Amino acid sequence: EVQLLESGGGLVQPGGSLRLSCAASGFTVSSNYMTWVRQAPGKGLEWLSVLYSGDSKYYADSVKGRFITSRDNSKNTLYLQMNSLRAEDTAVYYCARGRDWGQGTLVTVSS
Amino acid sequence: QAVVTQEPSLTVSPGGTVTLTCGSSTGPVTSGHYPYWFQQKPGQAPMTLIYDTSNKDSWTPARFSGSLLGGKAALTLSGAQPEDEADYYCLLFYGGARPYSVFGTGTKVTVL
Repeated sequence: EVQLLESGGGLVQPGGSLRLSCAASGFTVSSNYMTWVRQAPGKGLEWLSVLYSGDSKYYADSVKGRFITSRDNSKNTLYLQMNSLRAEDTAVYYCARGRDWGQGTLVTVSS
Repeated sequence: QAVVTQEPSLTVSPGGTVTLTCGSSTGPVTSGHYPYWFQQKPGQAPMTLIYDTSNKDSWTPARFSGSLLGGKAALTLSGAQPEDEADYYCLLFYGGARPYSVFGTGTKVTVL
């Protein structure tokens, strides 16, 4: 059974950094394309990034230069390093493998 | 980056049929956009209904179907049930040298 479990969310001050993790089971992260998606409170879904099996990475304009996606093959885990955080980055962050989604982790950026 | 547009809200009677659409600012939606459709209920994570235009996920009820219609991706709900009341989002893939994906603006479906 495919499972994705996000962690690492929490409260961070504007300008701060946070690293989200997405632990996968039931499949191999390095053999799949993996995405990050977020949803601000009361808003729609926003695609953030993709990491392909060949290690190519692409980002939405809204996070390019601030967010970095990576993976640890030994841990079968996907990461999202978020830097220079802003209030508008407050959202639930989801990782996904195509049709399969995690339950999300909440990031709140506030002083 | 492209803008993907959906109807903000639609209402369907129980047992009725409704079609949601998903359009792209860059031109007609094709199978090359690999359209996905997701259902999201309050407080829950999105769930995949349809992938690659018309393929159903293992849990997808038979009353949902995906297609291309008039240059847009479409999700048709035939025989609406009260439990189908939810937000629905499409997702389109844009290939090229710097590929990316964009979610639609979302449609709130009310079964009334």
